[in-house]
Amino acid sequence: DQQVKQNSPSLSVQEGRISILNCDYTNSMFDYFLWYKKYPAEGPTFLISISSIKDKNEDGRFTVFLNKSAKHLSLHIVPSQPGDSAVYFCAATTQGGSEKLVFGKGTKLTVNP
Amino acid sequence: DAGITQSPRHKVTETGTPVTLRCHQTENHRYMYWYRQDPGHGLRLIHYSYGVKDTDKGEVSDGYSVSRSKTEDFLLTLESATSSQTSVYFCAISGPGQGPKGRPQHFGDGTRLSIL
Repeated sequence: DQQVKQNSPSLSVQEGRISILNCDYTNSMFDYFLWYKKYPAEGPTFLISISSIKDKNEDGRFTVFLNKSAKHLSLHIVPSQPGDSAVYFCAATTQGGSEKLVFGKGTKLTVNP
Repeated sequence: DAGITQSPRHKVTETGTPVTLRCHQTENHRYMYWYRQDPGHGLRLIHYSYGVKDTDKGEVSDGYSVSRSKTEDFLLTLESATSSQTSVYFCAISGPGQGPKGRPQHFGDGTRLSIL
């Protein structure tokens, strides 16, 4: 069963506007969450992460919000730029041990000029 | 960029043949991982390694084996390739831990494998 869900396969926004990508998880043992961005023909690249002891982490234009009670996290990109067009994967893990990541299926973001 | 090299980058082979994919790292990281990416499935973990000769299964390990005889190399083998194993394969590495004090997984650029 899918432990990390990204229910929107695609999202289209205008340049300069906010992009909001959502992710839900079911395993309450997850305590660390990551977002990766992937361009075609390249490997995923790490974008931003958040620990379960926080509810927000910010890095430049990217902010990740975590709502533990709802088992929901979101990635906000503001302002969105055409170069942000990519597939975004949400991932979760339990710290310590094997550090295995469980990924969602991804959301394809298109930022239109 | 994390020093990860996957080889080959592209391969076409026939059903029933053995295939070995190689992941080489220059970061001296302990953990190495093999994933496959398929449309509608995201990234799924095949096998991972937490040290030389220490490996374990992931979510989709059937039909795959791995070996790690040196810190820097992690090999993925398809003993007898099937068409269902046509996919893009990614190797990843990580340092000690992925929490705030650790380092997140970094990925290679992938191997596109087609099995006819």
